[in-house]
Amino acid sequence: QVQLVQSGPEVKKPGSSVKVSCKTSGGNMSTYSIDWVRQAPGQGLEWMGAIIPMFRKVTYAEKFQARVIIVTDDSTNTTSMELSSLTSDDTAVYYCARDPFVVEGGKYYYNGMDVWGKGTTVTVSS
Amino acid sequence: SYELTQPPSVSVSPGQTARITCSGDALPKQYAYWYQQKPGQVPVLLIYKDTERPSGIPERFSGSSSGTTATLAINAVQAEDEAAYYCQSPDSRGTYWVFGGGTKLTVL
Repeated sequence: QVQLVQSGPEVKKPGSSVKVSCKTSGGNMSTYSIDWVRQAPGQGLEWMGAIIPMFRKVTYAEKFQARVIIVTDDSTNTTSMELSSLTSDDTAVYYCARDPFVVEGGKYYYNGMDVWGKGTTVTVSS
Repeated sequence: SYELTQPPSVSVSPGQTARITCSGDALPKQYAYWYQQKPGQVPVLLIYKDTERPSGIPERFSGSSSGTTATLAINAVQAEDEAAYYCQSPDSRGTYWVFGGGTKLTVL
């Protein structure tokens, strides 16, 4: 059974950076992407970006393009998301999620984010 | 930037059918996905590729898509279905994912 285990809660100062990790256990990551989704208090889900570990293919949402980096470490089956230039608006729960896919005719077909981490609370406060 | 539009809230009595819509210009050529999130819990995938249901999801949940609107239907609604529901779909080029704003389902 695949599990995504995220790092613990963080409290950060405005202007600093935060790095959240997501360790995969119990599954083969070769045909999955790992997506990062955040949820501010009382708000909806917001997609930040994703990485396909097998291909090292990374995609970022336009909103976060300039200040987010997603990387993966095959040796530890861990994906990390680093967000810089934090403001109070970045206070949120950050989730990682697995999204299986198949490739047909050069196009990716995803099966939805079927396994989620429990979330990491990031609080930005002076 | 691309947007998916959902009604903020839907109310239904127990046993009735709830329908939650999701509108987006790219939906005629892109799949829609649906998630359920109860307060304090992690989102759960309900529907993928417009109509497919993951194992373990009750048959009461179904999805459809026509034109620029995708729809999640919940038959024989139960009190436990009270939750926020989110649609998700990529932009027209399939470059990035977008979530709808979410719909709060209230069971009267």
